[in-house]
Amino acid sequence: GAVVSQHPSWVICKSGTSVKIECRSLDFQATTMFWYRQFPKQSLMLMATSNEGSKATYEQGVEKDKFLINHASLTLSTLTVTSAHPEDSSFYICSAGLAGIYNEQFFGPGTRLTVL
Amino acid sequence: AQSVTQPDIHITVSEGASLELRCNYSYGATPYLFWYVQSPGQGLQLLLKYFSGDTLVQGIKGFEAEFKRSQSSFNLRKPSVHWSDAAEYFCAVGSSNTGKLIFGQGTTLQVKP
Repeated sequence: GAVVSQHPSWVICKSGTSVKIECRSLDFQATTMFWYRQFPKQSLMLMATSNEGSKATYEQGVEKDKFLINHASLTLSTLTVTSAHPEDSSFYICSAGLAGIYNEQFFGPGTRLTVL
Repeated sequence: AQSVTQPDIHITVSEGASLELRCNYSYGATPYLFWYVQSPGQGLQLLLKYFSGDTLVQGIKGFEAEFKRSQSSFNLRKPSVHWSDAAEYFCAVGSSNTGKLIFGQGTTLQVKP
């Protein structure tokens, strides 16, 4: 149980285009989803926290207009990288929080974004 | 401020040898502690967690960790390492205020045949 999927697993796009990444909790309802960014050989950096039906809360230094997060349902959150640039190339990982079990997060397999 | 420190960036052990990965945390209240493992290009898999109770926690794949409040530590151990254990290991503390996880820098484990 507690499986989280991400789609796509990898994406290559041209500079200036927008890319949408989906995060789904497959067998449970996630009241909270988290989006992380990970650079090579580094730890995970929390970008934002999203709760179903409300606006995402962004971490300091994360551009909310560039990284649009939508949490439309209890099983789906999306991250859209708008007007992507090469410096946005990274590994993006989402996680979903299980209602009632505080702090426990289940992680998706990640999405590798390469912006040319 | 809440923080997690993994003092060892890279550790190499021989297959069959014992393993201990260190984790120290700074947190004002009772911490929720986690160990995750990440294989290259993959997401994170939960190895074990500590919320309360017995300070020695058993996890998957033969791993265990011990919570020591006096030392603010939550070290991960395995008595006999397998080549498939080579991966990146992250210690994390959960914030009871925000629900967020704060990750350590990670430790890369290399296993020699």
